[in-house]
This record gives sequence, structure tokens and C-alpha cells, in this order.
Amino acid sequence: AAGVIQSPRHLIKEKRETATLKCYPIPRHDTVYWYQQGPGQDPQFLISFYEKMQSDKGSIPDRFSAQQFSDYHSELNMSSLELGDSALYFCASSLATKNIQYFGAGTRLSVL
Amino acid sequence: KQEVTQIPAALSVPEGENLVLNCSFTDSAIYNLQWFRQDPGKGLTSLLLIQSSQREQTSGRLNASLDKSSGRSTLYIAASQPGDSATYLCAVGGTGTASKLTFGTGTRLQVTL
Repeated sequence: AAGVIQSPRHLIKEKRETATLKCYPIPRHDTVYWYQQGPGQDPQFLISFYEKMQSDKGSIPDRFSAQQFSDYHSELNMSSLELGDSALYFCASSLATKNIQYFGAGTRLSVL
Repeated sequence: KQEVTQIPAALSVPEGENLVLNCSFTDSAIYNLQWFRQDPGKGLTSLLLIQSSQREQTSGRLNASLDKSSGRSTLYIAASQPGDSATYLCAVGGTGTASKLTFGTGTRLQVTL
């Protein structure tokens, strides 16, 4: 069965650079969620989209933005990267009516 | 605001022991609860999902229970093995369309030979 695909799997950036993370949900899923997991931390909710509209927003810095496209894939754009942005970024998808989230393998972002 | 706590934070047991991991949450208006396993630096593997209307779910050596009214869930692991060593996270799903998951702080399990 198809799973949630995240790309890239690993990303190394310098401070103040920009990064774009991509998420391809399970086919027919209409909702995408982004989570950030810092070293030794539990995953923290960043933002979600339902039917291409922002649904909920967590502790997402103003330097970050995200959107869901017409094919339901989502991108998380991160600008002016800081050392503290180094983390695992997870994307999950679901059918809003079932609200069971399936997670991708994550993107490991390292900011040097 | 939903808060999820897991006890203990770390646990070390000898191989073969049965063990219980605890998860508590402050807001009982939940849609579901999931238990995940995470190996160091790796992704989240979903172990069990309990809907709010259910009391427990079982998969192999794992059994998860849910007491929504008291805000508690337990994950029971029978006959532990060294391969069970990992961090276990519980996550609570809110009600409403596209509700986020709120994760607990995790229990780091070490099963020794």
C-alpha cells in the first residue's frame, strides 16, 4: 500500500539559508499535517491543511510557511534558517472524516 | 490545552519480563489515541490505535487500554525482547475535522539480555 512520501530524507543547510520540504500524502487523503521533533523532544505540531486550506496552526515560526497544492501534496518552506531549526520534520496525512494519521519517514534537517 | 504525560520517562528491564507503560492526558474530549515506537533518529512506527469509543486494542504481544474518563492509557508489552528497546510515544487526537495529535514525552525502554 502507498505510504506518505517525504523528500528529501536528509538536508544540510547553512544559517540564514532557505529550505523546502515536500510531502506527498497517501492517495485520496485530503488532510496533511506537519510536525517538528527537536533532539530529545517529542514531536510538536506545526500546521495542518484540509482540502488545500489551512486548518490549524501550532507553534510554527513566522519564518516558516506552508501550503497544500491542488494535487494535495504539501510543502513546508523555511527561511532565515537558525541552528535551532535542526530537527526531524514529519508529515502525516489522513482522511478528515477518519482522522487517523499516517506518518512519513521524516526529513532530517541539519543547520550548520 | 491538551497535555500528555508519560511515566516512566525511562525503563530498563531484563528480557522476558512483562511491562506496562503509562500515558495520561488532561482533556478527555479525544477522538483517538495512538501508541508509536521510535528508534533513535528514526521515524514513527504506529503500534496501536484506539478510538475513543473503544477500551482496548491488541496486536501480538502488545495490548493498549484506554480509560477516557480518567484520562489514561496503558501499553502492556508481554515477554519483552531486546528488539523492543526503543522510545514509546503516546499521542492523543482531538475531536473535530483535521485535529492535530498531541504527543507525550515518551518512555525510553531498554530490554537487557
